[in-house]
Amino acid sequence: GQQLNQSPQSMFIQEGEDVSMNCTSSSIFNTWLWYKQDPGEGPVLLIALYKAGELTSNGRLTAQFGITRKDSFLNISASIPSDVGIYFCAGQPNDYKLSFGAGTTVTVRA
Amino acid sequence: NAGVTQTPKFQVLKTGQSMTLQCAQDMNHEYMSWYRQDPGMGLRLIHYSVGAGITDQGEVPNGYNVSRSTTEDFPLRLLSAAPSQTSVYFCASSYLVRPHEQYFGPGTRLTVT
Repeated sequence: GQQLNQSPQSMFIQEGEDVSMNCTSSSIFNTWLWYKQDPGEGPVLLIALYKAGELTSNGRLTAQFGITRKDSFLNISASIPSDVGIYFCAGQPNDYKLSFGAGTTVTVRA
Repeated sequence: NAGVTQTPKFQVLKTGQSMTLQCAQDMNHEYMSWYRQDPGMGLRLIHYSVGAGITDQGEVPNGYNVSRSTTEDFPLRLLSAAPSQTSVYFCASSYLVRPHEQYFGPGTRLTVT
């Protein structure tokens, strides 16, 4: 399947910090999406991007579809404790299949 | 709306046993899919369906069967369970016009001994 490289693998956040993560692919994608998974639950869609260069926000979250169509990033501004979880990027290599990255685990810095 | 429901929540099987993981949605979504989630590997697509009577293979279909006799239900069958199928399984659904904006169920944690 398509390989998505998501980084960082994990990160620690302190309340109030801005954090960012990104995803790259060896192939061109037509769609990029970002999902979040809380412990013991299924992923939930955060943001969907459909055009190269598109910048979309959802509350404190902002994501961009890279110009080359091979990358995307997600920013979280002013982190709060409920931002902890696993964030997955996903890309569409063809019409009905979705490829997921391995995830970025966000935890609160003690 | 209940959204996407999955049963059972947990299951332990012995090698060679068969079972069916159930998935149902009440949102009238045409598209349904099954993923498995393994540590460090994200979610991998097993099978998907774009409507009743239509199914297709995803990235890791071997050892799994699906059928879609109604819009609402999309069961996943393990024919002869193997330890390599120990995983968390997620069902998801979406409208066909936006197939990637998927709603996920709560998951089934399967252990094969």
